[in-house]
Amino acid sequence: DIQMTQSPSSLSASVGDRVTITCRASQSISTFLNWYQHKPGKAPNLLIYAASRLQTGVPSRFSGSGSGTDFTLTITSLQPEDFATYYCQETYDNYPAFGQGTNLEIK
Amino acid sequence: QVQLVQSGAEVRKPGASIKVSCKASGYIFNTYGITWVRQAPGQGLEWMGWISPYNGNSKSAQRVQGRVTMTADTSTSTAYMELRSLRSDDTAIYYCARVTLIAGVDENYKFDFWGQGTLVTVSS
Repeated sequence: DIQMTQSPSSLSASVGDRVTITCRASQSISTFLNWYQHKPGKAPNLLIYAASRLQTGVPSRFSGSGSGTDFTLTITSLQPEDFATYYCQETYDNYPAFGQGTNLEIK
Repeated sequence: QVQLVQSGAEVRKPGASIKVSCKASGYIFNTYGITWVRQAPGQGLEWMGWISPYNGNSKSAQRVQGRVTMTADTSTSTAYMELRSLRSDDTAIYYCARVTLIAGVDENYKFDFWGQGTLVTVSS
């Protein structure tokens, strides 16, 4: 099974900051990588798919990059509504795995 | 607009079963897969499995294999997830989501629309 490891597990930042979250796969997964935002009491929300493609309706301050085993999610100019937990997900095989999550908190 | 509406919260005793429904609207139901993801209290997202409403083919995660059955009723555009022999560590919010293949990228997919979640509590 493919294992996904995110870092950091938690992160404190301020409104207006630039934030980067990383995700590492236990084997090469090409660009088969999605990113989701999850807020308490809400359904997860797809942000980025295929490593770097912005999902329709998602603000352009979100971007993704990477291929192979190392990936990043970058949020430029953090907004109050961006404080949430972020998950990466590999879709390389038919048993998709999520990372453990990164909790982005207000400083 | 695409919507997935799930059934309401449930409480069960250990050893019992639960069947959660997920009614889809706003798209052609049998042309997209449906997946199930859960989140236990204080934990991350865990993929449970998926089903193709087109042909009924399904796969489930090893952790719940043998206890979970996923079905889809194309006449009502509703997917179901049944989990048997419930244990306390099955207490979680269960989500359904639509599976969309990514155009131009063979066998790549995304979970692009999600239900609101169903809280299942397993307690004696």
